[in-house]
Parts: sequence; structure tokens; C-alpha cells
Amino acid sequence: RKEVEQDPGPFNVPEGATVAFNCTYSNSASQSFFWYRQDCRKEPKLLMSVYSSGNEDGRFTAQLNRASQYISLLIRDSKLSDSATYLCVVNLGYSGGSNYKLTFGKGTLLTVNP
Amino acid sequence: DTGVSQDPRHKITKRGQNVTFRCDPISEHNRLYWYRQTLGQGPEFLTYFQNEAQLEKSRLLSDRFSAERPKGSFSTLEIQRTEQGDSAMYLCATGARETQYFGPGTRLLVL
Repeated sequence: RKEVEQDPGPFNVPEGATVAFNCTYSNSASQSFFWYRQDCRKEPKLLMSVYSSGNEDGRFTAQLNRASQYISLLIRDSKLSDSATYLCVVNLGYSGGSNYKLTFGKGTLLTVNP
Repeated sequence: DTGVSQDPRHKITKRGQNVTFRCDPISEHNRLYWYRQTLGQGPEFLTYFQNEAQLEKSRLLSDRFSAERPKGSFSTLEIQRTEQGDSAMYLCATGARETQYFGPGTRLLVL
């Protein structure tokens, strides 16, 4: 089983649509969770951290369910500029000598169409 | 711009040649990571430095790969005797604890 699994995509949605991405992780010792965004041929950029209480940043809402080892990202009122690959990312923190290295899912490609 | 820079941005080389990449981190970050990303995959961890000490290496890092971080500042990643399978984007990231910021990457093509 892969450490981080995401919806394979791709997702093609019209402008203004709501789109949800799902992710599961296998290591219950994982400490912190993120969504990164990666534009074509660019580096990953931190979109938002994910907390158990859920967090929102404008049109973006992230949720974490530790019991189910499940992470989600919801994008409301999608814009053309949201087109990118969304990477689900997990960090074991310092446990077991993990040294805070990040473990990435394969990413889900989103294309928002006019 | 995250403040992490990498050089070169692109490198084309012939199989069997050696290549070296450089990463200049955000100055106040003592943690530095190298990742590799191939087409259609998320980045995969290669190695980690805390200051000048290399504390962890992935089993992806064969003996043809070596990384250094002299004086805990910039870091270099060298690949000896490159193979076509080394073609990828090599990403450097620096961080304070759990949040990491990535440089623009070096895209390597081995012919």
C-alpha cells in the first residue's frame, strides 16, 4: 500500500464549480498534513496546512480525519487560475528519526475550463 | 519566490557524465532536503541535512549520488556516471520544523 494515495484524476470542471480532492495515508504516526499546489514544470508551493478541526482559506477548505486517516481539500467557485496539480503531503514529524521529511501523493491534476 | 534558489535550472547531459547541482537555502533555515520528481509522480525524498550534517539518506540515493552541505549553508548534489533513469527534476527544500519551502528545481535530462 502506498504511503499517501490520492484520487488519480484528472478533474475537468467549469469555472465556478466546486471540486473536492480526497487523500488517504497509511502511517497512523503521521504528525502534520498539507496540500501543496504545483503548476506545470514548476516547484510545489504550500497551499495550506490541514488540521483536525478543519481550516479554511478563502475558497479553499481542508479537513483531516485522523481516525480514518483521510484528508480532503474542497475548492469552491473554482477559477481558471486554480488549474494545477494538487499534492497531498504527509509529515511524520520527528518520530522514528523521520526528520520532518515530506511524503507526497502522486498528485491530482485539475483543469478549470472557461 | 520562496527564497530558495537552485542552479542550474536545466541540465542536459550525456549518459556517463557527472553533473552537480547547487541549492542556496533560506538563510535562517537549518534543515535542507533534496527530493526527486519524475513525470506523473509526486516528489520523493532523497536526503536531509541539519546544518552541515547529513542525517538521513533514502535508499533511492545510490552510491552514484553524493550530497554535501559545507558550513551548513548551500548544498550540492552530485550524480556520477549519469544514467537515463536519472532524468528527473531535482528539488531542494528548506524548512523550520514541519513546513518546507521548495526551490525552483533543476530539470535534468540524460541522453
